[in-house]
Amino acid sequence: GENVEQHPSTLSVQEGDSAVIKCTYSDSASNYFPWYKQELGKRPQLIIDIRSNVGEKKDQRIAVTLNKTAKHFSLHITETQPEDSAVYFCAASYHKLSFGAGTTVTVRA
Amino acid sequence: EAQVTQNPRYLITVTGKKLTVTCSQNMNHEYMSWYRQDPGLGLRQIYYSMNVEVTDKGDVPEGYKVSRKEKRNFPLILESPSPNQTSLYFCASSPSINYGYTFGSGTRLTVV
Repeated sequence: GENVEQHPSTLSVQEGDSAVIKCTYSDSASNYFPWYKQELGKRPQLIIDIRSNVGEKKDQRIAVTLNKTAKHFSLHITETQPEDSAVYFCAASYHKLSFGAGTTVTVRA
Repeated sequence: EAQVTQNPRYLITVTGKKLTVTCSQNMNHEYMSWYRQDPGLGLRQIYYSMNVEVTDKGDVPEGYKVSRKEKRNFPLILESPSPNQTSLYFCASSPSINYGYTFGSGTRLTVV
């Protein structure tokens, strides 16, 4: 089955700086790569996704990149704000959606 | 309001006592799935369903059962719960396999 690895497990950034989270996946057939944000005590929520026919996608301060050859994808958050503090999960899907272990992001004011 | 509703939100039970966690969605989604969330392990898929009467195992199906008799409902059944099933459980739905999930609010289960 699909194996998704996510790094780093924790990330602390100064407000206004950028944050980058990286994921690798094992199944070359995977073609859908969403990212979820989970605030403390709440449910995961989709923040951005990318499909295998696209190399990059941006939505305001959030961008994702995908390298299918290397089987890795990344989440970039620019100009971080305190409300960006949360756990972020990457995921990869072909038949079923497999998640990474999560990255706890802390934005220091 | 489009949503996935899970019940109960919290449950404490004893080893071996059968329980059911309900999940219902009002978005006419075909795809539904159950995940458990444990610290350091992320979200691990238990079972998923691509449509009515179509279910399949995820990565950690042992000790769990599901059914999909109606499109909107996807209950998770623990026939004989054990302490290692203590976890936070999420139900999720989406229009199909490769679209964003809508998650329920979660069920915090403790088995003593």
